[in-house]
Amino acid sequence: NAGVTQTPKFQVLKTGQSMTLQCAQDMNHEYMSWYRQDPGMGLRLIHYSVGAGITDQGEVPNGYNVSRSTTEDFPLRLLSAAPSQTSVYFCASSGEPYNGYTFGSGTRLTVV
Amino acid sequence: SQQGEEDPQALSIQEGENATMNCSYKTSINNLQWYRQNSGRGLVHLILIRSNEREKHSGRLRVTLDTSKKSSSLLITASRAADTASYFCATVPFSGGYNKLIFGAGTRLAVHP
Repeated sequence: NAGVTQTPKFQVLKTGQSMTLQCAQDMNHEYMSWYRQDPGMGLRLIHYSVGAGITDQGEVPNGYNVSRSTTEDFPLRLLSAAPSQTSVYFCASSGEPYNGYTFGSGTRLTVV
Repeated sequence: SQQGEEDPQALSIQEGENATMNCSYKTSINNLQWYRQNSGRGLVHLILIRSNEREKHSGRLRVTLDTSKKSSSLLITASRAADTASYFCATVPFSGGYNKLIFGAGTRLAVHP
């Protein structure tokens, strides 16, 4: 099993550009989340999903969109990149409510 | 705002010593989880303790939970150089829906050979 796969691993964007961070899991997990990690801080929840077609906002949703058309995929879209979105982004999935999560290896994004 | 706060922020020990990290949180929880993150990597789930549990063990890991003090501790016994990593506690709030892990800022552990 591949687990949670994130692409790309690294990305540099110019201010104002848009892009999609991909996340796919092959464990048939219903619950998926996106987090960002900034230096010296823990992870902050951006958006999450409890199943195909169902998404909701986390702590820091502004500037990001998500959709969940399939159980496997949960892409994160940056609408108009800003330097404040420079961060490491992690996708995670869980098969049961109130259970532990499996994390991807992250996407390191720099906005210049 | 972050739910959990880890203490200490950084910990440096010798191989074979025990490492203790603490986590405090603010609101009622369903469960508390500990994760490890090696440098430049994703997070790995270590252990989960539910709000009705007081202590849990997994190999060299021992986790305690005191819901009256809203705190938890992670003990790593007989540490190894390979335990060098950042350790995060994460809480699942009692209300507001599941699937919401709220992380602390982490403890950086360095284990010296």
